[in-house]
Order: sequence, then structure tokens, then C-alpha cells
Amino acid sequence: DAGVIQSPRHEVTEMGQEVTLRCKPISGHNSLFWYRQTMMRGLELLIYFNNNVPIDDSGMPEDRFSAKMPNASFSTLKIQPSEPRDSAVYFCASSNSGDTDTQYFGPGTRLTVL
Amino acid sequence: SQKIEQNSEALNIQEGKTATLTCNYTNYSPAYLQWYRQDPGRGPVFLLLIRENEKEKRKERLKVTFDTTLKQSLFHITASQPADSATYLCALRMDSSYKLIFGSGTRLLVRP
Repeated sequence: DAGVIQSPRHEVTEMGQEVTLRCKPISGHNSLFWYRQTMMRGLELLIYFNNNVPIDDSGMPEDRFSAKMPNASFSTLKIQPSEPRDSAVYFCASSNSGDTDTQYFGPGTRLTVL
Repeated sequence: SQKIEQNSEALNIQEGKTATLTCNYTNYSPAYLQWYRQDPGRGPVFLLLIRENEKEKRKERLKVTFDTTLKQSLFHITASQPADSATYLCALRMDSSYKLIFGSGTRLLVRP
């Protein structure tokens, strides 16, 4: 089992540019989460998909952020335009919704916006 | 307001000793609580889950307690090893909710 796969692992971009982060969840998992982690705010949930449908996007900071899940094996998180305050590590996690919903995290994408 | 608190200061202990990490919460009624380990440059990894009706859970050298009256969970690592050095996160899940609410984590350093 390859685990959750994220790409790229590191992204450096300039303010105003579009950034797209990618995630491949564990095969068979039906829930997918995007998180953002910073020193100041810790691990924050941005959006949650269940069976490819966005269920809760209340954690998405603003309209500059959008996420899609076109199929069960792929999701993207897009920031446009990016700002320096978006600099953080972005994690994707997947789970098989059920009793305990243990989440399996990817390695993360470290985003730096200059 | 709702809060999850973990010691922000690093816990520094000698190899072989027991490490005890604390997770306190206010204004939550969690159905269960999870502990995760996070190494630098990596995503969190699930370790243990304890339900609201359980007092204690063990897995090898790990032990978790859950006191819903005190609104506190303790995470113990016995016979600690330098390889246990990492950041440990607690996470709460409420009934009928998919969300995990994470604490900010406590960094553990085990000296050889």
C-alpha cells in the first residue's frame, strides 16, 4: 500500500501566482480531507469530501482557495492568487468512514509564497 | 470557547524513563480521542484511539488514559527511546461528526 500521495512536496512561488496541490488518497477510502499546518495555528481542516462530494468547506480561508475531487483517486487544492500568508504545509488525509475514521496523512506539500 | 490544550514547551527526558504528555480540553464532549505522532517533514501518523467510555488503552509501550470528568487525556510512553522523539498530537472527535479537532502538539525529546 503506497499510502496517501501528495505532489509536489515543495512549492515556491511568487505572490499572485496560481498554485495547485495534488493528492491521491488510499485506494478504497471514501473520505478525503485537506489540512493546513502552521506554527501559529496548528493543524486546521480546510475541506472534507465524502464519496467525492464536498461536505464541509467552512475551513477554506476565502474565495482564493478552491478544491475539487473529480474521482475517488484524485483531489486538488488550488490557491489563486497566492499570498505570502498562504505559506504553510498542506496535508491531505484519507479515511474509510466508519466507526473510528482513523485518518491517514500524506507527506504534505510545503508551500512558500514570496 | 472551545479549546484543546497541549503543553507547548518541549518535554525533555532521559532514555528509559516514562514520558507523560497531557491533552486538556474545554467545552467539548468528545465521542473519542486519538493520539498521533508527527516527525519533522512528515504527516501525522495514528497511534491510539480511546473512547469516552474507556478509561485506559494500551499498545506495546504506549498507554492512554481518558478522564471525561477532568476533560483530560494522558499519553504515556514507557521505557522511552531516542527514536520516540517526535511531536505528539491529540485529536478529538465529537459524536455524529466527521471532524477531528487537533491540539497543537507537544514535542518530545528523549536523550540517550
